[in-house]
Parts: sequence; C-alpha cells; structure tokens
Amino acid sequence: GNSVTQMEGPVTLSEEAFLTINCTYTATGYPSLFWYVQYPGEGLQLLLKATKADDKGSNKGFEATYRKETTSFHLEKGSVQVSDSAVYFCALSDPRGSSGDKLTFGTGTRLAVRP
Amino acid sequence: EPEVTQTPSHQVTQMGQEVILRCVPISNHLYFYWYRQILGQKVEFLVSFYNNEISEKSEIFDDQFSVERPDGSNFTLKIRSTKLEDSAMYFCASSSTVQQETQYFGPGTRLLVL
Repeated sequence: GNSVTQMEGPVTLSEEAFLTINCTYTATGYPSLFWYVQYPGEGLQLLLKATKADDKGSNKGFEATYRKETTSFHLEKGSVQVSDSAVYFCALSDPRGSSGDKLTFGTGTRLAVRP
Repeated sequence: EPEVTQTPSHQVTQMGQEVILRCVPISNHLYFYWYRQILGQKVEFLVSFYNNEISEKSEIFDDQFSVERPDGSNFTLKIRSTKLEDSAMYFCASSSTVQQETQYFGPGTRLLVL
C-alpha cells in the first residue's frame, strides 16, 4: 500500500535559519504530493502541493520539489520565522480513479523556531 | 474564501454513548472525507463519500461508525457506542473533484470519551 515517511521531530531552529524537512513516499501509481501545516490549536491547512514529477510547489517562502527518481518531496525554507512554528505533515493522494482520493499522511514533524 | 466548518469544536462523552459530529463542506464540493488524529499520532483516513454513498473506508471504520449527508449542506459522522480509544481529533474535508484535487480541511472536533 501507499506510505509516507517523514523525518522525526522535533526540529528546533533559530530565526532566519534554513529549514529542511525530509519526506519520502511509496506509491503504486502516480500520486499527488502535499504538505499540510497544523498551527497550535488549529486544523490542517494546505501549504503547497505538486501533482507530477519535477513540479515544484511553493507558498509563503516554502518550497518542495516532486522527485520521482528518489521518491521524495522534501520541504525547504530559506529563512524561518517564529510564526512558522507548527507541525508539518507530508501527504500523498491515492490515485484510485473516480471514487475519491484519500490522503495518506506521514507522522508529522514539529518545528519550533526560537527568536 | 469558502471554508469547511465543523461543530462542535469539543465534545466530551461517556463510554457507550452515541455522538454525532457535524461538518459543512464547501458548497460546490462533491467529495467528502473524515479523518482522525489520535493525540500525538498521524492523521488517519476513515471514510470517503460521494454521490450519497461511501466510496472507500478504512479498517478503522467499523460497524460503530456511519456517515450521512442528511441535506444539501451537512455531512455527519456518527459513532454509535463510543469507546475510550475513539478519543481523537476528527477532521472533515472536502474536495471539488477527484483527480489529484486538493482536500480542504475543517478545524476539527476534539472528542474525549471518558
């Protein structure tokens, strides 16, 4: 079946540091890949997505490139802010045709950014 | 911007009681989902729903669970007889089409079973 593996957290960085959160996946078809973010006490928000190989998703300074050859979708940001402190979830959609695309999530990586 | 809403935000119930969690998906969306997140664990798929019927369900979604779209706007998850292990955050999501389309999540209902 499909699966998503994320690096274990927590990740603690100082403000303006470079961020990488690793994500690799296993899928039988041609999945779409997503990063969702969960701020403290809130629900899941879509951060970015990529729907095919070599696509780059980007939003709010975050980027991730869909790498089919390494089955990876690592999240990066050049300069993190305190407000980026949250839990980040990598996810893929299960390409099952016309009946609905369930999301398979990784375990989540907690990011804490110090001032 | 349209959003998915969920009620209640928190629910506390006694073991064995029935609970109904409510969701209002984005109005022109056709596909609806329930996920849950046990504290500190990953988000898990429960069920997907399209055209007034379940299209896929996970092994978690046993006979104690049911979903319904009672009218044109609400989408509900019912747990018939709650167990302690049902304590979790329950998220509703919706999407407009299927093929690699983004799912938009509600803020969640935190369910605590005592």
